[in-house]
Amino acid sequence: KAGVTQTPRYLIKTRGQQVTLSCSPISGHRSVSWYQQTPGQGLQFLFEYFSETQRNKGNFPGRFSGRQFSNSRSEMNVSTLELGDSALYLCASSLDRVDYEQYFGPGTRLTVT
Amino acid sequence: GDSVTQMEGPVTLSEEAFLTINCTYTATGYPSLFWYVQYPGEGLQLLLKATKADDKGSNKGFEATYRKETTSFHLEKGSVQVSDSAVYFCARAAAGNKLTFGGGTRVLVKP
Repeated sequence: KAGVTQTPRYLIKTRGQQVTLSCSPISGHRSVSWYQQTPGQGLQFLFEYFSETQRNKGNFPGRFSGRQFSNSRSEMNVSTLELGDSALYLCASSLDRVDYEQYFGPGTRLTVT
Repeated sequence: GDSVTQMEGPVTLSEEAFLTINCTYTATGYPSLFWYVQYPGEGLQLLLKATKADDKGSNKGFEATYRKETTSFHLEKGSVQVSDSAVYFCARAAAGNKLTFGGGTRVLVKP
């Protein structure tokens, strides 16, 4: 079974721009969560989607948003990029909300200049 | 709120040495607990998990026991290899599928 895939793997953007990251979960997995990883703050939860609905949200500004499609694929968007948004963005999928085993993709490395 | 604290690294060991990475969590309810490993340039890989008190998770020679009385979930391996060099993260599950992670412990195994 294919693992979680994320595209693109690397991205360079300029301050003020917006960016969209994509995540394809493991086949059959219905829950997708997003995390931000930085050297200073470590791994922080952004949000979780299940059945196309946001079920949980971390402590991030409204510039960070996401969505999930009917095939469970998910996208996250960051608008008005700031230098501090430079990070590795990780997507994780799990079978459902009861099964807590989350499987992570390789991440998208976003650099904001 | 929910939090996870793990020992800071780096931890430097010789091959075949014993590895312990300490992890404690805040005891809000009875969360599932996890260890993840991250190799350079990669995402996180689930190493093991435990879902209730006294459960022992194990995988690839690594073990961790869910200790409710000490709110701990320490990771151990009896004989490390160079290939075990990585960053290890302890995590607890919260509402829904939200994971709260510790700060990570870098392990370097020298031949």
